Amino acid sequence: EADIYQTPRYLVIGTGKKITLECSQTMGHDKMYWYQQDPGMELHLIHYSYGVNSTEKGDLSSESTVSRIRTEHFPLTLESARPSHTSQYLCASSEVGTQYFGPGTRLLVL
Amino acid sequence: GDSVTQMEGPVTLSEEACLTINCTYTATGYPSLFWYVQYPGEGLQLLLKATKADDKGSNKGFEATYRKETTSFHLEKGSVQVSDSAVYFCALMNSGGYQKVTFGTGTKLQVIP
Repeated sequence: EADIYQTPRYLVIGTGKKITLECSQTMGHDKMYWYQQDPGMELHLIHYSYGVNSTEKGDLSSESTVSRIRTEHFPLTLESARPSHTSQYLCASSEVGTQYFGPGTRLLVL
Repeated sequence: GDSVTQMEGPVTLSEEACLTINCTYTATGYPSLFWYVQYPGEGLQLLLKATKADDKGSNKGFEATYRKETTSFHLEKGSVQVSDSAVYFCALMNSGGYQKVTFGTGTKLQVIP
């Protein structure tokens, strides 16, 4: 079972602020993912990474950006947060055949 | 493309009742199938998986069998507990590429004492 950590768990910020959601994993997985989960529970893939220096946009268009400088770290950044960014953000990583999820960050933009 | 359809909720059951959450899929090739569970305020936890036809995944009293002929992976439990109250997601992963996972929309289960 993978160990995946996300910080912060909860974040309340004002419109226009820059934020970074942290995600790290200790299992050495090459592939990592960010999902946005709306209040209706559905998950939407917004970014993924094959490995260091590899990032791609997912199925749902997002104003966020990601970076992958180290295998274990996959942060997500919003340059200027807006109320429409209010959501839960889930990070995941995978070894062959299975994705494992972090606990999520619940973001509220006022 | 790949898709997963699972029964809509919420599903409300009394403690010790039998549970079935239906899940069917459409996919090319031979995907792996998963059930994830999400407790309030948390991320998704892998509940069980099956990687080929006729495989049965099981964990914590939950079971699901990979049925290729009916393209189904229904989740079952013989006797639910209040602690099983959560949202359950059916999912599939096709091999290759970036191992994209396609999720169903989730089924909320509430178990009442």
